[in-house]
This record gives sequence, C-alpha cells and structure tokens, in this order.
Amino acid sequence: IQLTQSPSSLSASVGDRITITCRASQGISNYLDWYQQRPGKAPKLLIYAASTLQSGVPSRFSGGGSGTSFTLTISSLQPEDFATYYCRQCDTFPITFGQGTRLEIK
Amino acid sequence: EVQLVESGGGLVQPGGSLRLSCVVSGFTFSDHYIDWVRQAPGEGLEWVGRSRNKVNSYSTEYGASVRGRFTISRDDSESTVYLQMNSLKSEDMAMYYCTRGFQYNGHWYFDYWGQGTPVAVSS
Repeated sequence: IQLTQSPSSLSASVGDRITITCRASQGISNYLDWYQQRPGKAPKLLIYAASTLQSGVPSRFSGGGSGTSFTLTISSLQPEDFATYYCRQCDTFPITFGQGTRLEIK
Repeated sequence: EVQLVESGGGLVQPGGSLRLSCVVSGFTFSDHYIDWVRQAPGEGLEWVGRSRNKVNSYSTEYGASVRGRFTISRDDSESTVYLQMNSLKSEDMAMYYCTRGFQYNGHWYFDYWGQGTPVAVSS
C-alpha cells in the first residue's frame, strides 16, 4: 500500500493552522498513525488509529479520515512544531510510511 | 520508565554482516511487538521488520528489501531483540531504530522508540 503525503513541504508561521494530507493507494480503514520527527531525533507518535491523540501530545494536534484519505491538523503552530511529519499504515504488510512532509518556519 | 537502547551499528563492507541489539526495560518484554525501522541519510522512514509478542510465538515479518537477508530474534533472559543483517548492501546504510508496539482495537501502534544506531556500508 502506497501512502502519498501532500504537501511534501510547507512554510508557515507561528500561530497558523495547517493541514497535511495522507492518501492511501487502497482502503486501510482507520489503521493509520502520524509521527513527528525533529532533526537528529527518533520519530514521536502523535496520533494513532487515524484520530486518537497519543497521551502527552498537545491538543492542538488532531487527526481525521478513514479509508483512503487522512489528515493531520495543527490548529495553532508553535515553534517546537517545525519538524517533519510522517503517516504510516498498519493495515497490511509490508507496513509503509508516507514520504514525509517538512514543515518550515516562514 | 520505558526505554529501548540500540547498539551494534558500525562500518561494514558490502557483503558483510552485522548484528544490532535492542535492549528494552520498563515494560513486560514478552507482551509487546517490536519493530525495526530504518532511515537512510536525508531520506524518509522505512519499515524493516517485526517481532510479534510471546502469545504469537515471537513470529516475524520482513520488508521486501531485506527479506532473506535480515533475521529478527529475541532473548527473553536479556530482554533483547536482535536484528541480524547479512549480505549487506550500500542501500542498507541507515540509522536503525527499534520501537515498541501497543495494541489498540486489534492493531499495533508504536509509542516508544530508541535513539537509533547507525550502520554504514562501504568498502
């Protein structure tokens, strides 16, 4: 299953609301999660089962969608949110990741 | 405190072998799935393989690019998951992470990650 994220990169300002989209090449129900990765660090789980917020993750992060189209929204960007974001499907082997969305400060 | 600590990375020649270790603590080792994920320099994340939990006989799955060359195993007494990598190629050069799974509604999601161990393949 191929996951295609859009956009591949995004410039935004602190306080902005942004949405990243992840599209699957076939239906995966809600078996998708989202990760944040800062440079030189391991990925961090943000959202699982498409829309469930991982414990300790700020509520400005939210996820939605099912089937083949999914979104990650950050309601009000904070300085620490500038990072790369990946979606991942766990419906079918092999597990696959999206290519990543790099979020940069405008 | 949940921790996963990888080790064993290094420089190896093409065609060579390397064994990575992932030592875990702070949770019941046998209850959880463990995945290996890698990231080539400047690239995205790639799933390498999975070790299921003891209830599922520690069975394994592998990505297409490593199947037949890489093997995942566990040692309960050491709370360690191993990734044996044989016939290494230049395209295997990456940071390798191990990550712990938790189950939700019948599927597994990955909440804790190690810091990674780097593997370089070059002559």
